[in-house]
Formats: sequence, C-alpha cells, structure tokens
Amino acid sequence: EDQVTQSPEALRLQEGESSSLNCSYTVSGLRGLFWYRQDPGKGPEFLFTLYSAGEEKEKERLKATLTKKESFLHITAPKPEDSATYLCAVQRIDSGNTPLVFGKGTRLSVIA
Amino acid sequence: ETGVTQSPTHLIKTRGQQVTLRCSSQSGHNTVSWYQQALGQGPQFIFQYYREEENGRGNFPPRFSGLQFPNYSSELNVNALELDDSALYLCASSLHGPAETQYFGPGTRLLVL
Repeated sequence: EDQVTQSPEALRLQEGESSSLNCSYTVSGLRGLFWYRQDPGKGPEFLFTLYSAGEEKEKERLKATLTKKESFLHITAPKPEDSATYLCAVQRIDSGNTPLVFGKGTRLSVIA
Repeated sequence: ETGVTQSPTHLIKTRGQQVTLRCSSQSGHNTVSWYQQALGQGPQFIFQYYREEENGRGNFPPRFSGLQFPNYSSELNVNALELDDSALYLCASSLHGPAETQYFGPGTRLLVL
C-alpha cells in the first residue's frame, strides 16, 4: 500500500529563518511526487512535480528535492505570506487509474 | 482560461439527507478526481472520471456516487449522509488524462448535523 508521511506536523519560524520540510514515501513504482500549498479553507495549490531521484525544482523561496525514499521542501528566508499547510503526494505508475496519495501535511507559521 | 470551480462553497445538511456537489473542470481538462479532506488530514481519494467513465475508486461506500458530463464538468452525490461525512470536498482536474498533474478547485465545505 502506498504511504506518505510528512514531518514535522507543525513548524514555527521567524521571518528569514530557513528550514526544511520532510516527506517520506513508500510506493510500488513512482510516477511522480507532488508538492501543494494549502491555505485554510481553500483548495491545494500546485507547486512542483518531481519524477526521479536527484531532481530539484525551485520557485521563489521554495526548493524541492527528491531521493528514492523521501523529498524535502526547503524554504529559504521565509516571509509571513509563506504561512500555509504544505502537502506532499505520490502517484504510482499504473496502466489506468492513478490517484494521488497524500500525507497529512506540515502546517508552517512564519512570524514577522 | 478559468481554473477549477466548485459549487456551492458551503453546505449544511442533516443526517440521512442527500447532497449533490458540482465541479467545473479547467478548460480543456478531460479528467476529474474527487477527494474528501477531513479537518487536519490530507485529501483522501474518492473516485475519478475520465471521458465520462469512472476510472477508479477509493475506499468509499456505494452511497458516494458521481457523474461526468460531455463538457467534462462533474457531480458528486452522497446519499444517506452521516455525521462523519462532514469535510471539505475537493475536485481536481487534469489535462489529457489521469496521469497528468491535478489542479484543485476551492472545495465545498459540507457540515452534517
């Protein structure tokens, strides 16, 4: 069974204090690993897709990396507007249906 | 190009009632997936529609059913509502098939009393 575990559950940072969020996964054949950002009461907003170990993607203050067992979302010099829940999901290689399997998320608070 | 839209935004029902939630997919997207997100949890897959056919189902009972229309919009129907059905219901669409990146709508918040 595909599984995704995210840590920590919650993270509180001072503005400018860089840190990393972890996503550990088990899946029988990874098609892609996805990062989403979700604001309270809203739908997830797509950030990145990573397909193979060693791949990295960046967007503004965010950088996502992937190994064969985990992914990291690095946040450099965060600002209060980066406060949100960050969700990680995996998608298995399959000939047909390929739903996303999500972790519970990391709730990030950035304090000015 | 418009994003994924969902209606209504909020809904209150009582136990035993039936509810229909609606989703309009992003322009040109032919695949729609529905997810249920309980408070403090990640989204859980309900089912997926690809070109008007159900293309996979998660661990949800048959009282959760759906449709996809020729314009690729979709409905989620839930019969015999239970208190545990209270959640945020998310619709996601993807372009050219189930293996593409999924883009989510804003969700419908359902409260069952």
